[in-house]
Amino acid sequence: KAGVTQTPRYLIKTRGQQVTLSCSPISGHRSVSWYQQTPGQGLQFLFEYFSETQRNKGNFPGRFSGRQFSNSRSEMNVSTLELGDSALYLCASSPPDSLFYNEQFFGPGTRLTVL
Amino acid sequence: GQQLNQSPQSMFIQEGEDVSMNCTSSSIFNTWLWYKQDPGEGPVLLIALYKAGELTSNGRLTAQFGITRKDSFLNISASIPSDVGIYFCAGTPYSGGGADGLTFGKGTHLIIQP
Repeated sequence: KAGVTQTPRYLIKTRGQQVTLSCSPISGHRSVSWYQQTPGQGLQFLFEYFSETQRNKGNFPGRFSGRQFSNSRSEMNVSTLELGDSALYLCASSPPDSLFYNEQFFGPGTRLTVL
Repeated sequence: GQQLNQSPQSMFIQEGEDVSMNCTSSSIFNTWLWYKQDPGEGPVLLIALYKAGELTSNGRLTAQFGITRKDSFLNISASIPSDVGIYFCAGTPYSGGGADGLTFGKGTHLIIQP
């Protein structure tokens, strides 16, 4: 079974631009979560989507948004980029079995650099 | 928000040595997970723990869910060079919702000296 895939792997943008990152979960997984990883703050939860609905959201400004499609693929968007948005953005999917729901499987991430 | 205190921050060990790291929280967690991250990659799930007191092994790795539900530890026996990397603890606070994101520790950077 293929793992979580994320595209693109690397991205360079300038301040003020916007960016869209894509994530395809493991086949059969319906929950997709997004995380931001930086050296200073570590791994921080952005939001989680299930069946095309945002179920939970971390403490990030409204410039960070996401969506999920009917095939469970997800995108996240960051508008009006700031230098501090430079980070590794990780997507994770969870199995449908509620017993193991909290086991999240991560993709390789998208490395975003804002200049 | 919730914070996990993970220690040590880094470890310098000799090949063949055993490794121990732990994670503590000020509040109760209902799930503890341990991940390993290699440079340029996403975290890989090593062990998941769901019950207080649970002790689970995965090869040379052993992890335990603390009886107070506020801590967990990970042991690696007989370390080998491919064990190098950053190990993260993660968990879900007890909230009953089941849809909260994972809270992560800051990581333990494992370095194996030749």
